[in-house]
Amino acid sequence: EIVMTQSPATLSVSPGERATLSCRASQSVSSHLAWYQQKPGQAPRLLIYGASTRATGIPARFSGSRSGTDFTLTISSLQSEDFAVYYCQQYNNWPPFTFGGGTKVEIK
Amino acid sequence: EVQLVESGGGLVQPGGSLRLSCAASGFTFSDHEMNWVRQAPGKGLEWLSYITGRGSAIYYADSVKGRFTISRDNARNSLFLQMNSLRAEDTAVYYCARVLWFGGPSFDFWGQGTLVTVSS
Repeated sequence: EIVMTQSPATLSVSPGERATLSCRASQSVSSHLAWYQQKPGQAPRLLIYGASTRATGIPARFSGSRSGTDFTLTISSLQSEDFAVYYCQQYNNWPPFTFGGGTKVEIK
Repeated sequence: EVQLVESGGGLVQPGGSLRLSCAASGFTFSDHEMNWVRQAPGKGLEWLSYITGRGSAIYYADSVKGRFTISRDNARNSLFLQMNSLRAEDTAVYYCARVLWFGGPSFDFWGQGTLVTVSS
C-alpha cells in the first residue's frame, strides 16, 4: 500500500499571501495524484488531478506540480474562502486508493 | 447538474447492519465507476470500496472486506453499501464519490455524506 504523507499538518497564512502545501508518496505514483479541498461540514471538492490539471471551475490561483514522488499544491494569493483542509490522494497503484492525512490552512 | 445524495445513515448497535444509498442525477450513471469513502469524526478520508459502471469489478479496503458489500442499480441511478457486523470504529460520515477517469480514477463529485454512528 502506498503511503501519502502531507506536510505541514497546519499552515497559518495571511489573506493575500501564498500557501505551499506538500505531499510525498512512499513510492512512485507517476502523475496520478489528486488534491481535494474540504471545508467544515462539507464534502471534499476535487481541485487538481493528474498532479497539475485543474478540475472544472477551479480558480487559476490553485496550481499543482510534481517532482518525483513529491507533489506541491500552491495557492498563489489566499482568499477567505480558501481556508480549509486539503488532502492529496494517489490513484496509481490501487486498490486501495490512499489519501494523505491532510493540511489545514488557517488564518494567521 | 451532477448531484449525489446519500441516505440511510443513523444510530446502530455494535454487530448490527445498515444499508446506505446514494441517489445520482445529472449524468449517465451507468457510464461512471463509483466509490464509497468515509471520514471518522475529526479524522481524514478513508477509501472503502469501488465498483465499475456495470458492476463487473468490485474492490474493497481491507478494513471492510467481508463485512461491507457495494452494489448498484443502474435502472434506478443508485449506489448502495450494505454494512454488516458494524463496529464502533465504523462510526463516520460516509460519502459516495463519482470517478473521473483521466489517466486514472480521481473522484470528481461527492455527495454531502450520511452519518453512521455505531454505539450501544
